[in-house]
Amino acid sequence: EDQVTQSPEALRLQEGESSSLNCSYTVSGLRGLFWYRQDPGKGPEFLFTLYSAGEEKEKERLKATLTKKESFLHITAPKPEDSATYLCAVQAGTDSNYQLIWGAGTKLIIKP
Amino acid sequence: NAGVTQTPKFQVLKTGQSMTLQCAQDMNHEYMSWYRQDPGMGLRLIHYSVGAGITDQGEVPNGYNVSRSTTEDFPLRLLSAAPSQTSVYFCASSYSRAGSSSYNSPLHFGNGTRLTVT
Repeated sequence: EDQVTQSPEALRLQEGESSSLNCSYTVSGLRGLFWYRQDPGKGPEFLFTLYSAGEEKEKERLKATLTKKESFLHITAPKPEDSATYLCAVQAGTDSNYQLIWGAGTKLIIKP
Repeated sequence: NAGVTQTPKFQVLKTGQSMTLQCAQDMNHEYMSWYRQDPGMGLRLIHYSVGAGITDQGEVPNGYNVSRSTTEDFPLRLLSAAPSQTSVYFCASSYSRAGSSSYNSPLHFGNGTRLTVT
C-alpha cells in the first residue's frame, strides 16, 4: 500500500537552532514530491517540488532534498515566523492512474 | 487576484441537514478539487474536476456531491450531514491535474471551511 509518513509529529526549536523534518514514502512509480507550509486557520501554501533522487531546492532558510525513500526539509537558523505545519505529498502511479498521497504533517514551533 | 475563495469559513449543522460549501477561483485553472483535513491524518481527496462539466470521485466521496458548470466554481454539497463529516474542508485548484503532463502543477488552496456536525 502506498504510504507517506512524516516525522516528528511536532518539533520545538529555539530561534537559530537548525534541524530537519523527514518525509518517508513507500509508493510505486514516484512522479514527484511536494512540500507545503500551512499556517493556523489557512490553507497549505506550496514550497517545493522534487522529481528525482539527489535533487535539492532552496528558499530562504529552507532546503528540501530527496532520496529514493525519503525527503528532508532542512531549516537553517529558523526564526519565529517559520513556525507552521509542514506537509509533504507524494505523487505516484502510472500515466493513466496516479494519485497524490499526503503525510499528516510536522508542526514546527520556533521559540524566540 | 483573490486566488481560491471558500465560503463560509465556519458552519455548524445538525445531523441530517444539507448544505453547500462554495469554492471559486480566478486563475483560470482547469483542475479543481475538494479535500478534508482531520487531526493526525493527511489530506484526503473527496472529489475533483479536470474541467467544466467533468467530475470524478476521490478517496472519500460518500455523502458528498459536486458539479462543475463553470471553470471558476466548484461547489461541494453535503446531502445529509453526519457527525463523521465534522472536519476542515479545503478547495484547491491547479493549472492541470498533477501528473497530467511532465510539469507537475502545484495546488493553490483556499483558507478552508470548518464544519461541525452535531
